[in-house]
Amino acid sequence: GENVEQHPSTLSVQEGDSAVIKCTYSDSASNYFPWYKQELGKGPQLIIDIRSNVGEKKDQRIAVTLNKTAKHFSLHITETQPEDSAVYFCAAGEVGGSARQLTFGSGTQLTVLP
Amino acid sequence: ETGVTQSPTHLIKTRGQQVTLRCSSQSGHNTVSWYQQALGQGPQFIFQYYREEENGRGNFPPRFSGLQFPNYSSELNVNALELDDSALYLCASSLGRAWNEQFFGPGTRLTVL
Repeated sequence: GENVEQHPSTLSVQEGDSAVIKCTYSDSASNYFPWYKQELGKGPQLIIDIRSNVGEKKDQRIAVTLNKTAKHFSLHITETQPEDSAVYFCAAGEVGGSARQLTFGSGTQLTVLP
Repeated sequence: ETGVTQSPTHLIKTRGQQVTLRCSSQSGHNTVSWYQQALGQGPQFIFQYYREEENGRGNFPPRFSGLQFPNYSSELNVNALELDDSALYLCASSLGRAWNEQFFGPGTRLTVL
């Protein structure tokens, strides 16, 4: 089955700096890669996703890149703000496959210091 | 448009008991997925229901079972609770069998003593 590894597990940045979180996946059949933000006491919230026919996607301060050959994908947050502090999860899934599950990484606790 | 809701918020059970958790999907969504999130870990897929039928299952034993109702709300049942079942249980709703954005509820925190 799919295995997703996520690094780092914790990340502290100064407000205004950039943050980068990296994930690797094992199953070459995976073609859908969402990123979720989870705040304390809440469920995960989708912040951006990318499909394997695209190498990069951007939404304001957030961008995701995908390297299918190396089975890497990364989340980039620019101009970080204190409200970006949360746990971030990457995930991988297969559109159109028989399995309907998302496999999640273990999470990155991002702290943005004022 | 209402979001995904789950009940109860918190639950405490003892080992060997049974528990039922409930989820109301977002308006218009016909697919519900359940995940278990242990403390400090990412969510793990339990199973998914599409139009009242199981549409995929993760690596969980049969004592984890579910239902989806005609209004697309869903239940997760866990029998013979074990200490390791203590976790946050999340449901996520989406539209259709193909991959679309999954909207998560706030979760039910289950503690097994």
